Amino acid sequence: DTGVSQNPRHKITKRGQNVTFRCDPISEHNRLYWYRQTLGQGPEFLTYFQNEAQLEKSRLLSDRFSAERPKGSFSTLEIQRTEQGDSAMYLCASSYNRDRRAEAFFGQGTRLTVV
Amino acid sequence: AQTVTQSQPEMSVQEAETVTLSCTYDTSESNYYLFWYKQPPSRQMILVIRQEAYKQQNATENRFSVNFQKAAKSFSLKISDSQLGDTAMYFCAFSTGTASKLTFGTGTRLQVTL
Repeated sequence: DTGVSQNPRHKITKRGQNVTFRCDPISEHNRLYWYRQTLGQGPEFLTYFQNEAQLEKSRLLSDRFSAERPKGSFSTLEIQRTEQGDSAMYLCASSYNRDRRAEAFFGQGTRLTVV
Repeated sequence: AQTVTQSQPEMSVQEAETVTLSCTYDTSESNYYLFWYKQPPSRQMILVIRQEAYKQQNATENRFSVNFQKAAKSFSLKISDSQLGDTAMYFCAFSTGTASKLTFGTGTRLQVTL
């Protein structure tokens, strides 16, 4: 286990298409987060899971976005009917909620381009 | 709601010199965590240093240290003996608890030159 893994690394899609991204967290981590990062900005929180339960969703997460974490392992983020404004880097991070160091480990991200 | 402000979009420093990156934040919470993350070009974000708000002592990690001023809500990062590998975007971030979501600033792009 070498860290948080995200696939694909890059995705180009036509407007209106659906896309799905996958995140595999560090195996012992029970929390998993999704962030969105647009050019020149810091990451913005989208949603997070503790085990398989989705505990919080940002208002940035419109109805076209859905995230799952079946069995508390990997997670998927799906965007339906993509729009050009969805173009961004989607980052996944994981952590362990009993870790006093409070450190989140990030994946390399999935860069989405909607054309 | 918490906010994090980084007022320096870009900074440049010569190799072996010292540079300080600024960060201010706003919160009504009494206990929280502050972080500096580094994001090299096309690479994943990694944690540089963390500070727990209830600790008065400033955190230090090798060449990286912070100046945490709780009353002023200021959290600056000092990089000593800058190296070419320090070239990256640096993000200041805030969290209200262990393993909680992060609120990021807009980042400072640091360029280390020869």
